[in-house]
Amino acid sequence: GESVGLHLPTLSVQEGDNSIINCAYSNSASDYFIWYKQESGKGPQFIIDIRSNMDKRQGQRVTVLLNKTVKHLSLQIAATQPGDSAVYFCAETPGNQGGKLIFGQGTELSVKP
Amino acid sequence: GAVVSQHPSRVICKSGTSVKIECRSLDFQATTMFWYRQFPKKSLMLMATSNEGSKATYEQGVEKDKFLINHASLTLSTLTVTSAHPEDSSFYICSAHAGAGANVLTFGAGSRLTVL
Repeated sequence: GESVGLHLPTLSVQEGDNSIINCAYSNSASDYFIWYKQESGKGPQFIIDIRSNMDKRQGQRVTVLLNKTVKHLSLQIAATQPGDSAVYFCAETPGNQGGKLIFGQGTELSVKP
Repeated sequence: GAVVSQHPSRVICKSGTSVKIECRSLDFQATTMFWYRQFPKKSLMLMATSNEGSKATYEQGVEKDKFLINHASLTLSTLTVTSAHPEDSSFYICSAHAGAGANVLTFGAGSRLTVL
């Protein structure tokens, strides 16, 4: 069935290091992908998005890479800070499904000072 | 920026009672809102798509008579958990597209339901 999954459930990094969070998706019809950050007890917060006609997009300290050949998505966080500690979800929008998002399992990022 | 507000943020109720959760778009109109459910240490699972002025569309396995959704205006959708049981205890989150034509979904802060 359709699914969006993550390779690593937890990731621990040292403050200042770069973080890479990976995601695999199975629906080749998905045309839009988003990374969300969720802190404990709060709703998801938008980080960055990318359309299927792109393979890379950069934001402030974050970069999303999309490899449609292997259906893989990654989020890179540069100079990771303690405030980046949270659970990160990738989400996909299957084409022609009214804009609903399907979420992956999530990766918990822990930043050590 | 677009803001989605949920109320209440936390609610505790007795088993068998019904609980209503509100989702409001504060500075934009939302013809469509989405309701998600999240268990601890788990991902968000889409429950239903709430459509203004029409019936909600439920995902497979979600009981529509258990989770009543009403989207009576362009800024308000409500989720009512009827005859709640302890297994309904969860974090319920709503979302909406931030304006017509917007791709990004803006999420509310969530509502933590605990059924005793």
